[in-house]
Amino acid sequence: DVKVTQSSRYLVKRTGEKVFLECVQDMDHENMFWYRQDPGLGLRLIYFSYDVKMKEKGDIPEGYSVSREKKERFSLILESASTNQTSMYLCASSSLDGTRQYFGPGTRLTVT
Amino acid sequence: EDQVTQSPEALRLQEGESSSLNCSYTVSGLRGLFWYRQDPGKGPEFLFTLYSAGEEKEKERLKATLTKKESFLHITAPKPEDSATYLCAVRGGGADGLTFGKGTHLIIQP
Repeated sequence: DVKVTQSSRYLVKRTGEKVFLECVQDMDHENMFWYRQDPGLGLRLIYFSYDVKMKEKGDIPEGYSVSREKKERFSLILESASTNQTSMYLCASSSLDGTRQYFGPGTRLTVT
Repeated sequence: EDQVTQSPEALRLQEGESSSLNCSYTVSGLRGLFWYRQDPGKGPEFLFTLYSAGEEKEKERLKATLTKKESFLHITAPKPEDSATYLCAVRGGGADGLTFGKGTHLIIQP
């Protein structure tokens, strides 16, 4: 079974802190994605990566950066966390043909 | 810009009462329409991918269909364990990420 794991289920950070969210997949997938999910707005794509060290902006990249140094690991970085970044963050991966994205369990981040 | 609209936002059914969820979409160069199920506090769980108008897929009490403008998720004789939020998403020609609708929150009462 494909497994996508995220480093934390719940995280509480203070405004201005640098925050790292980690995602690991075990299926040797080329593509990895970060989404955020907010009530009334649905899931929105932040960034995706189609290869090691490669990244593309999604629909809402402002305030975020990403890092992919190894194929199985994709990190989302909040350089200076703000309260409007309080959200559920979901990582996903897929093979190159993109026929199906597998999601992790999510990290619920609260910025106070 | 790809767009996905799901209706209704919420639906309450009695156990055994069949119904359909709608997903309307606009996309340039459809490379897949996806249905996911999401339980509270969890990540979305894959159900189906449809690629072309006329295509249908089934899994237990669920059946997904696709036309050129919309997709339906038909639920036949639902059970309480089918209660969840059902998400529709499209993959367009421009990018590999998915564009999601806001979901339909389905409640099946025993």
